Amino acid sequence: EPEVTQTPSHQVTQMGQEVILRCVPISNHLYFYWYRQILGQKVEFLVSFYNNEISEKSEIFDDQFSVERPDGSNFTLKIRSTKLEDSAMYFCASSEARGITQYFGPGTRLLVL
Amino acid sequence: QQQVKQSPQSLIVQKGGISIINCAYENTAFDYFPWYQQFPGKGPALLIAIRPDVSEKKEGRFTISFNKSAKQFSLHIMDSQPGDSATYFCAAIRSGSARQLTFGSGTQLTVLP
Repeated sequence: EPEVTQTPSHQVTQMGQEVILRCVPISNHLYFYWYRQILGQKVEFLVSFYNNEISEKSEIFDDQFSVERPDGSNFTLKIRSTKLEDSAMYFCASSEARGITQYFGPGTRLLVL
Repeated sequence: QQQVKQSPQSLIVQKGGISIINCAYENTAFDYFPWYQQFPGKGPALLIAIRPDVSEKKEGRFTISFNKSAKQFSLHIMDSQPGDSATYFCAAIRSGSARQLTFGSGTQLTVLP
């Protein structure tokens, strides 16, 4: 069964460093999302991406964040200068069409020291 | 107004019992209400979903009840099993959006053998 994959599974970084989280969505999917989950809190929407551009973003997704689909398979989230409060589990999700089921990856646990 | 409120935070049920998780929303622009199940170390996975023009949807042991006038919906797990032990999130999707999920805060369900 096709699945969304994410790498790395864990990432530890120093405050102020740049991190890139990688996702490989399901191959025929067209809509891509990033969510985050701070420990013990709910899952929060960050950004949606379709047709090589951001379709919607939350207030969390400020200028420190960027997304890219550098090739036909990868979807990345970059945090330019990490802050302590960026420590969270980051989930990538994809869907075949708008409004259809989103499939989530296993997440990347980011720890900013 | 974008929030989805979920209760209880945690729930302990005996095997064979009924688990009930409740959610409420304010934004009438929400037009799709999925429930996600998350096991430790995994991403959320779609369990069951309902549209507001339907008052109830049943899939196996899982039932969503929807009260449009009260802006409330609930998940009922009949004959709960230890394998159902997981975190459950209600969510909502707003019409006209990029179809991103707005999640509730989650309910940690433990089914005792």
